[in-house]
Amino acid sequence: EPEVTQTPSHQVTQMGQEVILRCVPISNHLYFYWYRQILGQKVEFLVSFYNNEISEKSEIFDDQFSVERPDGSNFTLKIRSTKLEDSAMYFCASSVISNTGELFFGEGSRLTVL
Amino acid sequence: GESVGLHLPTLSVQEGDNSIINCAYSNSASDYFIWYKQESGKGPQFIIDIRSNMDKRQGQRVTVLLNKTVKHLSLQIAATQPGDSAVYFCAENTYTGANSKLTFGKGITLSVRP
Repeated sequence: EPEVTQTPSHQVTQMGQEVILRCVPISNHLYFYWYRQILGQKVEFLVSFYNNEISEKSEIFDDQFSVERPDGSNFTLKIRSTKLEDSAMYFCASSVISNTGELFFGEGSRLTVL
Repeated sequence: GESVGLHLPTLSVQEGDNSIINCAYSNSASDYFIWYKQESGKGPQFIIDIRSNMDKRQGQRVTVLLNKTVKHLSLQIAATQPGDSAVYFCAENTYTGANSKLTFGKGITLSVRP
């Protein structure tokens, strides 16, 4: 069964360092998303992406964050200068169509900022 | 402000019993709701969705009920199994014209006793 894959599964970094989280969405999906979940809290929307452009971003997604689809398969989230409060589980998701609540999530990348 | 939230943090049920997980929302304009399941160490997994033109929708062993009058949503799981143990989230989908955006409520942990 097709699935969204994310790497790394866990990354530990020092505050101020750059981090890139990688995702391979399901191959025939056109809509891509990043969400994050701080430990024990609810899942929060970060950004949506379609046709090589950001469709919408949340207040969390400030200038330190960026997304890119560098090739036909990868979708990346970059945090330029990590802060302690960026520590969270980051989930990539994709969907076939735009107006759907059925998103396919990856297993997440846990980011720990020290 | 607008919010989607769950009534109880944990629910413990006996294997074989039916489970009911409740969710309240505050925005009367909300028209599309989804239930997600998150198993330990995994990303959210779509269970079932319902749009506001319906008040009930059934899937395999699951039923979602929507009461727009009191802004209440519930997920019923029939014959609960150990594999149903997970955190359950209700979410609202907002379609921005380009992409969907899910606003998740706080999760409720379902624990199934053997």
